Amino acid sequence: DQQVKQNSPSLSVQEGRISILNCDYTNSMFDYFLWYKKYPAEGPTFLISISSIKDKNEDGRFTVFLNKSAKHLSLHIVPSQPGDSAVYFCAASAGSNFGNEKLTFGTGTRLTIIP
Amino acid sequence: DGGITQSPKYLFRKEGQNVTLSCEQNLNHDAMYWYRQDPGQGLRLIYYSQIVNDFQKGDIAEGYSVSREKKESFPLTVTSAQKNPTAFYLCASSRQGLYQPQHFGDGTRLSIL
Repeated sequence: DQQVKQNSPSLSVQEGRISILNCDYTNSMFDYFLWYKKYPAEGPTFLISISSIKDKNEDGRFTVFLNKSAKHLSLHIVPSQPGDSAVYFCAASAGSNFGNEKLTFGTGTRLTIIP
Repeated sequence: DGGITQSPKYLFRKEGQNVTLSCEQNLNHDAMYWYRQDPGQGLRLIYYSQIVNDFQKGDIAEGYSVSREKKESFPLTVTSAQKNPTAFYLCASSRQGLYQPQHFGDGTRLSIL
């Protein structure tokens, strides 16, 4: 049962344009959502997150949008740069007494920025 | 510079052997985690620990064991009971509490000879 889905395995975008990566989830208990960027043979790097009390969070070129009714979130990268070429993972967790200890990951979207 | 160190980067194991993967963090994080990544898949949680001397099974704990004797260290042992151990293993840590992101090491790739 894939609770976090990234339906696009790959995406190509021209340098300078907007990159939009999408993620859907099925578990209504999820209340914290994160995006990670990963290069080959390296660990994921945390990019940006959003809690369910918000519908938008910005950090520089990165913005995450959350649509709770549709159980959908997206990551916008503007403007896209060659260094953004990587695999992007969406992750989600449900809060508990201790915190958001268990992350459920999507299968990733490979973003390629075309110079 | 604070971070998470995983060693070794590449590890080879013979059939029937146990092998231990190291994970050390100097971020003063309370919680630590082990994930496994297989080709074309997302990360799956093996074990996690919220405090020293305590740990919980994740989704795919069978064939693995962990210990948490020190706050900084969370080693993972891949036992001979793990039927398909070849994978990329990632360790992470985070602060305790809600809405704390997990931060990852650079991983260890385990291969069976």
